[in-house]
Amino acid sequence: GDSVTQMEGPVTLSEEAFLTINCTYTATGYPSLFWYVQYPGEGLQLLLKATKADDKGSNKGFEATYRKETTSFHLEKGSVQVSDSAVYFCALKGAGSYQLTFGKGTKLSVIP
Amino acid sequence: NAGVTQTPKFQVLKTGQSMTLQCAQDMNHEYMSWYRQDPGMGLRLIHYSVGAGITDQGEVPNGYNVSRSTTEDFPLRLLSAAPSQTSVYFCASSYPGLAGAYEQYFGPGTRLTVT
Repeated sequence: GDSVTQMEGPVTLSEEAFLTINCTYTATGYPSLFWYVQYPGEGLQLLLKATKADDKGSNKGFEATYRKETTSFHLEKGSVQVSDSAVYFCALKGAGSYQLTFGKGTKLSVIP
Repeated sequence: NAGVTQTPKFQVLKTGQSMTLQCAQDMNHEYMSWYRQDPGMGLRLIHYSVGAGITDQGEVPNGYNVSRSTTEDFPLRLLSAAPSQTSVYFCASSYPGLAGAYEQYFGPGTRLTVT
């Protein structure tokens, strides 16, 4: 079945540092890929998405590129802020499916 | 436009009690789902619905029931609460979108403790 593996946290960075959170997936066909963010005490919000190979999703300075050859969708941001502290989830929707499969989440803490 | 709403925000139950977690959306989305979130486990799908009158089981359905009588509402029932059901529960709704991606919109969650 479909699965998502993302790097385990927690990750602690200083403000303005570069962020990478790795995400790899297993799925048949061409899934859609997502990054969701969960701020403390809140539900999940869609951060960005990509629906086909080589697509780049971007939002709020975050980027991720859908790499079919490496089955990856790594999240990056060039300069993190304290307000980026949250839990980040990588997820996929399999081709022909309605359902999302989530990774276990990576907690990011950004310190001033 | 309220999006996805969930009630209650917090609930404490004793083992064996039953209760219903409410979920409603005002976006006319056909697809709705329930997840539970546990530390180190990510989100796991409990039940989902592809439209009024149609429901199906997800990854962890045991101990939970759902029904979908309207497009807007998708309640989750705990039949006989157990401590293993202590968790945070999220409801979500989605629509196909431009590329059929079915991006999901989440409610704020219900934090349930079973003692």
